[in-house]
Amino acid sequence: EAGVAQSPRYKIIEKRQSVAFWCNPISGHATLYWYQQILGQGPKLLIQFQNNGVVDDSQLPKDRFSAERLKGVDSTLKIQPAKLEDSAVYLCASSSSSYNEQFFGPGTRLTVL
Amino acid sequence: GENVEQHPSTLSVQEGDSAVIKCTYSDSASNYFPWYKQELGKRPQLIIDIRSNVGEKKDQRIAVTLNKTAKHFSLHITETQPEDSAVYFCAASMESGYALNFGKGTSLLVTP
Repeated sequence: EAGVAQSPRYKIIEKRQSVAFWCNPISGHATLYWYQQILGQGPKLLIQFQNNGVVDDSQLPKDRFSAERLKGVDSTLKIQPAKLEDSAVYLCASSSSSYNEQFFGPGTRLTVL
Repeated sequence: GENVEQHPSTLSVQEGDSAVIKCTYSDSASNYFPWYKQELGKRPQLIIDIRSNVGEKKDQRIAVTLNKTAKHFSLHITETQPEDSAVYFCAASMESGYALNFGKGTSLLVTP
């Protein structure tokens, strides 16, 4: 089966600019996650969707981050405006509703200058 | 919320030796404990997982043990090989469909 797809793979922006990331989960996976992985740390959940509804966004900095999952498939994560501390790898993962294994995409490496 | 602690942060072993990585968690409601391997610049990949109704699980050279009373679980890699070199993350979550809470990772280096 095809894996989780993400784009772009790399992005360099200036602080205060905006950026958007895209994720296409494994076909049929109802649950989609966005994680932030800062260098040297484990992934940290930003937001979790079940179909196109938000399950958990308690750790999403809502003053600058937003995410949506239209039609319960693809998802976009946006940062506006970006800060230096947003430099990280943004990982998208998906899982089916019946089993908890999460499959990760290759990630988007964001550098904020 | 759940807090997962992982030790050691770095581990260097000789090829053929065993490696052990330990994690503790805080939320007694956690029931699912996966381990992910992440090679440099690559995505995390699940290598083994265990659920709370099982105390130990093995898959070839990899095993995981779980002590729910003490709230800790460990990854054991036997007969290590250079290709085992990577960062390993433990994680904990409630049952199916819940997000994972990750440890900070262990950088394992296996030297020939």
